[in-house]
Amino acid sequence: DIVLTQSPDSLAVSLGERATINCKSSQSVFGGPNNMNYLAWYQQKPGQPPKLLISWASTRASGVPDRFSGSGSGTDFTLTISSLQAEDVAVYYCQQYFGLPPKTFGQGTKVEI
Amino acid sequence: EVQLVQSGADVKKPGESLKISCKGYGYSFSTYWIAWVRQMPGKGLEWMGIIYPGDSDTKYSPSSQGQVTMSADKSITTAYLQWSSLKASDTAMYYCARIGPERAVDFWGQGTLVTVSS
Repeated sequence: DIVLTQSPDSLAVSLGERATINCKSSQSVFGGPNNMNYLAWYQQKPGQPPKLLISWASTRASGVPDRFSGSGSGTDFTLTISSLQAEDVAVYYCQQYFGLPPKTFGQGTKVEI
Repeated sequence: EVQLVQSGADVKKPGESLKISCKGYGYSFSTYWIAWVRQMPGKGLEWMGIIYPGDSDTKYSPSSQGQVTMSADKSITTAYLQWSSLKASDTAMYYCARIGPERAVDFWGQGTLVTVSS
């Protein structure tokens, strides 16, 4: 199985400052018929289900503010929140959907103010 | 509007059986894979497996194989997750979710809390 390791496990960021979360994969998730990175990012606020933020490593989902951006390729990926807002307090997960199941998740990164 | 509506919370004793449901609205239910994801109290997301409602093709994660059964009834746009003999360690929130055209999970159910306690 592909293992995703996120860093850090938690971080505290001031309002308006940048937050950066890393996700490292145990093997490349680039390729497939689309020649893309099969990597997504989700946001989970307390008491809510997760919400898709980014697919294909860098494509924002519909309605996601442009302060959220994804980058990286192969085995190393980053989610950046350019200017943290109070409503961005949440746990963020990366997930790979490359190849056969299981489509594993990272362990999560908790973002606080 | 795409929606996945899950059955309500349940409390069971160890050894009991349980079947929870996930009903899809607002899209062609038969043509999108449904994933089941477990979240134990205070923990992260665990991929349990997927089912294609069109033909009930199912793929389990190694840790879920033999522990749960996934099924679907496309005529009523509903997917199911069931246990034949629950353990205390099955206590968790269970989410169903749709695998969208982008191949990532694009819509999630609200979750079903399963509590197993004697």
